[in-house]
Amino acid sequence: DVKVTQSSRYLVKRTGEKVFLECVQDMDHENMFWYRQDPGLGLRLIYFSYDVKMKEKGDIPEGYSVSREKKERFSLILESASTNQTSMYLCASSTKGHYEQYFGPGTRLTVT
Amino acid sequence: KQEVTQIPAALSVPEGENLVLNCSFTDSAIYNLQWFRQDPGKGLTSLLLIQSSQREQTSGRLNASLDKSSGRSTLYIAASQPGDSATYLCAPGGSARQLTFGSGTQLTVLP
Repeated sequence: DVKVTQSSRYLVKRTGEKVFLECVQDMDHENMFWYRQDPGLGLRLIYFSYDVKMKEKGDIPEGYSVSREKKERFSLILESASTNQTSMYLCASSTKGHYEQYFGPGTRLTVT
Repeated sequence: KQEVTQIPAALSVPEGENLVLNCSFTDSAIYNLQWFRQDPGKGLTSLLLIQSSQREQTSGRLNASLDKSSGRSTLYIAASQPGDSATYLCAPGGSARQLTFGSGTQLTVLP
């Protein structure tokens, strides 16, 4: 079974802090994705990556950056956390050809 | 830009009923469509993936159909059980391998 893990289930940070959210997949998937999920807005794509060191902006990249130094790991970085970044963050991965996305358990981030 | 609508937004049924969840999308140029379930506070679990060349896909009590030209997909759940209670999300996949999500149907199956 595909396993996608995220570093924390719950995280509380202060405004202005630099925040790292880590995602690891164990199925050698080429594609990895970061989404945020908010009530009334659904899931929105922040960034995605097709390969190591590659990244593409999604629909809402402002205030975020990403890093993919190894194939299995995709990190989301909040350079200076703000209260409007309080949300559920979900990571996903998929293979190059099949494209079925598998999701991690999510990280609920609260910025105070 | 792809827009996805799911109807109904919420559904409550007694155990044992067969039910249909609807999904419509505005851009028919999709590569695939994926159905997920999400339990409260949890991540998404993939239920079914339909490729654009397929008309339907089945897994156990679940059957998903796709009519790409009309921009519609349905998820059929047979003999519903309380354990099926969750939010169901559909997500068509575009050429850039991205999924666009609907806002979901919140299903409650009453014992």
